[in-house]
Amino acid sequence: GQNIDQPTEMTATEGAIVQINCTYQTSGFNGLFWYQQHAGEAPTFLSYNVLDGLEEKGRFSSFLSRSKGYSYLLLKELQMKDSASYLCAVRRYGGATNKLIFGTGTLLAVQP
Amino acid sequence: GAGVSQSPSNKVTEKGKDVELRCDPISGHTALYWYRQRLGQGLEFLIYFQGNSAPDKSGLPSDRFSAERTGESVSTLTIQRTQQEDSAVYLCASSLQREKNIQYFGAGTRLSVL
Repeated sequence: GQNIDQPTEMTATEGAIVQINCTYQTSGFNGLFWYQQHAGEAPTFLSYNVLDGLEEKGRFSSFLSRSKGYSYLLLKELQMKDSASYLCAVRRYGGATNKLIFGTGTLLAVQP
Repeated sequence: GAGVSQSPSNKVTEKGKDVELRCDPISGHTALYWYRQRLGQGLEFLIYFQGNSAPDKSGLPSDRFSAERTGESVSTLTIQRTQQEDSAVYLCASSLQREKNIQYFGAGTRLSVL
């Protein structure tokens, strides 16, 4: 089976840095995605990792360690608009599908 | 359109009624996915369409759920004899079938079964 774990909620201060962790157990790993979802809105793509290491994109960075089944999303210079749910999702090899297996999401509250 | 479009945005129905949810993918995207998001839970895969290949229906929770897609365009998700546990946000996503296969999501249809 597959298991994806991430914290349910986090709180951080405007201007600070926050790291959201995601651990997964799956066979046939074929990439890890992070999405941002504001309440009542569509999830929007943030980052994709398939090889070990850090991918940086502006204020957001994502890290992957395949041997440890571990990823994190790093948000720098937090802004109030970063308050949202952050969804970790894993894609597997196998069959004809590219379906994503999602964690429950981490609700981040950014405070002044 | 520029993004994935879903309709209706909200649907309230009575238990036992049938409902149809519609998804218009991004033009040119060959792959289309349906997910369900229950309150406080992660997205749950339902079904996947890729071109003319047989769809992956492995996530459909019961035979009350079905979906169709015409070519590489619109898809409809049908739930027959709705139950209260079907209440959720139903999200559609589409992607190109290459490289990262990044899925782009619509805003979803919020279904409430009374």
